[in-house]
Amino acid sequence: GENVEQHPSTLSVQEGDSAVIKCTYSDSASNYFPWYKQELGKRPQLIIDIRSNVGEKKDQRIAVTLNKTAKHFSLHITETQPEDSAVYFCAANFGNEKLTFGTGTRLTIIP
Amino acid sequence: DVKVTQSSRYLVKRTGEKVFLECVQDMDHENMFWYRQDPGLGLRLIYFSYDVKMKEKGDIPEGYSVSREKKERFSLILESASTNQTSMYLCASSRGTVWREPQHFGDGTRLSIL
Repeated sequence: GENVEQHPSTLSVQEGDSAVIKCTYSDSASNYFPWYKQELGKRPQLIIDIRSNVGEKKDQRIAVTLNKTAKHFSLHITETQPEDSAVYFCAANFGNEKLTFGTGTRLTIIP
Repeated sequence: DVKVTQSSRYLVKRTGEKVFLECVQDMDHENMFWYRQDPGLGLRLIYFSYDVKMKEKGDIPEGYSVSREKKERFSLILESASTNQTSMYLCASSRGTVWREPQHFGDGTRLSIL
């Protein structure tokens, strides 16, 4: 079935260090992988996405890597700052426009 | 900037009531979605629509129905509310293209069923 697994569920890192969140997906036909950030009490917001025709994408301190063979993709945040504290969700599309989301990672940046 | 507006931020209803949650988007998006968000379970898709009057079941459609009479509006209906439907409900929309597009979310409706 359609499944996205996300790890870890919680992550604490020292300010300035890097954070990595990993997701695996079940459908080899998936071709779109967005990442969302949700701050407390706010809507999920897209921070970066990657399509299956590329293996890596960067946007300032954020990068996403995709390994289609292994069916996993990862979010990398470098030089973490207190404002990076939030819940992060990965997702993958299955078939049409439908996205299946991971269960989320609560990232805490320790000052 | 895409604007997805949900009619209520907080809503309290009684068991057995018929509940309507409304969502409006202003970007002429073809696709609209309803999710529920529960701690530890992430976002789970209830229903989605890729065109006016079209709908498809998501992963957890039981106890819900939807209506899309106009392109900009997508309604979620709880036919007979139950306490296990207490949750945060999120609406989203996206452009319908062959090359997948991001979904844009509303602020959510926190629904409590007493």
